[in-house]
Amino acid sequence: GENVEQHPSTLSVQEGDSAVIKCTYSDSASNYFPWYKQELGKRPQLIIDIRSNVGEKKDQRIAVTLNKTAKHFSLHITETQPEDSAVYFCAAGSNNAGNMLTFGGGTRLMVKP
Amino acid sequence: ETGVTQSPTHLIKTRGQQVTLRCSSQSGHNTVSWYQQALGQGPQFIFQYYREEENGRGNFPPRFSGLQFPNYSSELNVNALELDDSALYLCASSRTGSNTGELFFGEGSRLTVL
Repeated sequence: GENVEQHPSTLSVQEGDSAVIKCTYSDSASNYFPWYKQELGKRPQLIIDIRSNVGEKKDQRIAVTLNKTAKHFSLHITETQPEDSAVYFCAAGSNNAGNMLTFGGGTRLMVKP
Repeated sequence: ETGVTQSPTHLIKTRGQQVTLRCSSQSGHNTVSWYQQALGQGPQFIFQYYREEENGRGNFPPRFSGLQFPNYSSELNVNALELDDSALYLCASSRTGSNTGELFFGEGSRLTVL
């Protein structure tokens, strides 16, 4: 089955700096890679996703890159703000298999004002 | 548009008991997935229901079972509870056949097994 590794497990940055979170996956059949943000005591919420037919996707301060050959993908947050503080999860799945997602272990991002 | 709702939000059980968790999917969604999230870890896929049938299952034993109803709502049942079953159980709905397949999560049911 699919295995997703996520690094780092914790990340502390100053407000305004950039943050990068990296994930690797094992199953070459995976073609859908979403990123979820989970605030304390809240539900995971999708912030951005990418499919295997593109290498990069941007949405304002958030971008995701995908390297299919190396089986890794990354989340980039620029100009971080205190409200970006949360746990971020990467995931991998196949939309041919109903998007049954395998999640990484999570990264706790702390943005210091 | 009504989001995903789960009940109960919190519950405490003792080892060996049985529990039923409930989920109402988002309006317009026909697929429900269940995930187990242990403290400090990522969600783990339990199973998925589509057209009232299980159409995918993660690495969970048979004492984890589920149902989907004609209105697309769903139940997760866990028999013979063990201490390690203590976790946040998340329900996610989606629309099979849509272009995105995005999962929308509920707030979860936090189960404590003593």
